Amino acid sequence: QSALTQPASVSGSPGQSITISCTGTSSNVGYYNLVSWYQQHPGKAPMLMIYEVSKRPSGVSNRFSGSKSGNTASLTISGLQAEDEADYYCCSYAGSSASRVFGGGTKLTVL
Amino acid sequence: QVQLQESGPGLVKPSGTLSLTCAVSGGSVSSSNWWSWVRQPPGKGLEWIGEMYHSGSTIYNSSLKSRVTISIDKSKNQFSLKLSSVTAADTAVYYCARGASRSWFFDYWGQGTLVTVSS
Repeated sequence: QSALTQPASVSGSPGQSITISCTGTSSNVGYYNLVSWYQQHPGKAPMLMIYEVSKRPSGVSNRFSGSKSGNTASLTISGLQAEDEADYYCCSYAGSSASRVFGGGTKLTVL
Repeated sequence: QVQLQESGPGLVKPSGTLSLTCAVSGGSVSSSNWWSWVRQPPGKGLEWIGEMYHSGSTIYNSSLKSRVTISIDKSKNQFSLKLSSVTAADTAVYYCARGASRSWFFDYWGQGTLVTVSS
């Protein structure tokens, strides 16, 4: 069982917006502004999309945005494109003894 | 551009020890980063295994702690993973990754290597 809870799947049509939630606890997501999001296409390594809750690395489209409220972080993808179809994982810092915890992953289908 | 490349046996016998190495290019394992291992069983999600800081400090996933050792070889600019007493449940794609300096996210990943535990 993953430490962070994500919906197993979400879907949307091209051009629409979707949001993926990532629920943790007051010991990880709720305590630290250190949530990151990764995109993973089949057979590929994960790729960083968002770090420190809402920051975008250079080269990542501004269609990707992140936020947090309480123990739940969210990834929003606007203007959905076919290439966004992938698995998405959240990850949070969980303190010096536990370091990092992942969510179970969410499969995004672009209809 | 930092690049990470995993290597090691693709098949390990049950009760044996899984050993993988991650070669780092375009960067140094002596830099202020955490050097990490993450795995992904077939069809499942990502699981953080553990990591080592350039100074030698280590942090391990509590569920694997008794079986995991991560080490750094500065002379070869690489770091390694050893997982002992493996079972079929340890079959997974193993990724090495670099933890970003002064924060807690992975900024570079290796391509991953599949390790199967089977007799």
